[in-house]
Amino acid sequence: QQQVKQSPQSLIVQKGGISIINCAYENTAFDYFPWYQQFPGKGPALLIAIRPDVSEKKEGRFTISFNKSAKQFSLHIMDSQPGDSATYFCAASEDGFGNEKLTFGTGTRLTIIP
Amino acid sequence: DTEVTQTPKHLVMGMTNKKSLKCEQHMGHRAMYWYKQKAKKPPELMFVYSYEKLSINESVPSRFSPECPNSSLLNLHLHALQPEDSALYLCASSLGQGAEAFFGQGTRLTVV
Repeated sequence: QQQVKQSPQSLIVQKGGISIINCAYENTAFDYFPWYQQFPGKGPALLIAIRPDVSEKKEGRFTISFNKSAKQFSLHIMDSQPGDSATYFCAASEDGFGNEKLTFGTGTRLTIIP
Repeated sequence: DTEVTQTPKHLVMGMTNKKSLKCEQHMGHRAMYWYKQKAKKPPELMFVYSYEKLSINESVPSRFSPECPNSSLLNLHLHALQPEDSALYLCASSLGQGAEAFFGQGTRLTVV
């Protein structure tokens, strides 16, 4: 049972454009929502994360928008650059001692073209 | 130091071999994880250690055996693996309680 649905599976954006990746979750106990960026042959690297007490978080060109009532969150990459070409995973986890596991979305392969 | 170090980076092993993957972090994190990742798929959780005790085992076959010798080290012992176990094995650590997880670079395992 997939608890975090991610779309699109792949995305091609022109340099300078906005890349948008969406995720939806089912488990209302989730309260931590990170985004990871992964380059080929490397481990995932934390990009940005949000908790449900805020609706938006921005770090540089990366913004997470969070809609608690709709159980959806999205990643926006402004002014997309070729170096942003990677696979992006959304994830979610529940708070609580001994239950720190992340549930990942299926991933989005982003390609930024010149 | 925000690094999780995994060794070896690459490993080729036969189905009758015994090998171990190692993971180390010095960030004072109390939760450590093993994930398995197949090509073009998200990481799949295998094990979680919290305060050096196994807290989650995601029904992983017994040919994978985790060990947490101390709060900085995590091992994954491999025995009698199958070719379908070939994957990228990722170690991660976090402060705990849903805090941000830092991943290592992974060990690319090939079972022949």
